[in-house]
Amino acid sequence: SQQGEEDPQALSIQEGENATMNCSYKTSINNLQWYRQNSGRGLVHLILIRSNEREKHSGRLRVTLDTSKKSSSLLITASRAADTASYFCATDSWGKLQFGAGTQVVVTP
Amino acid sequence: EAGVAQSPRYKIIEKRQSVAFWCNPISGHATLYWYQQILGQGPKLLIQFQNNGVVDDSQLPKDRFSAERLKGVDSTLKIQPAKLEDSAVYLCASTYIQGGTDTQYFGPGTRLTVL
Repeated sequence: SQQGEEDPQALSIQEGENATMNCSYKTSINNLQWYRQNSGRGLVHLILIRSNEREKHSGRLRVTLDTSKKSSSLLITASRAADTASYFCATDSWGKLQFGAGTQVVVTP
Repeated sequence: EAGVAQSPRYKIIEKRQSVAFWCNPISGHATLYWYQQILGQGPKLLIQFQNNGVVDDSQLPKDRFSAERLKGVDSTLKIQPAKLEDSAVYLCASTYIQGGTDTQYFGPGTRLTVL
């Protein structure tokens, strides 16, 4: 079974717009991580937010974590065509990652 | 710094045949993971090694899947015999920290098609 559930399953936006995707999970975690996967490639780590953190920024990425609601969100600002990919949240419990099914993002020029 | 290497990149076999995948983690990374990613789903952990010992293989179908990490460096994952439902991308990942929280670095994966 998968721990994280992403929403929406798919997202289509135009360049310059913001993209927001959400992740809900079921059990307690040490941290939550977001990964990107381009078609036919491996996963690339984007950002890690620890269970005692509420918000984290990295470049055009903003991640929030609400442990009381067991949910996280990933915001990509000023999207680019190169951001087209699948985005996965993964909950980390003592080094063991459990991934959701992902959000497929398409950014059109 | 070289990334996680995997080979082959693609493999097509018929059901009941056997297949093996190879992974070379980032130098110095003690922990190695094998994941199975079925189309449209997120990766699912199959097995986790720390150095050359198995930490977690609870989701590895041991009747047909086996994995080893001799000398705590390279690893191989084998399927024998393969079934149609084994069609997936097999991802290898590694981390530096032993048993703790750390970024996992993924290889490009091996796409397996079972006919």
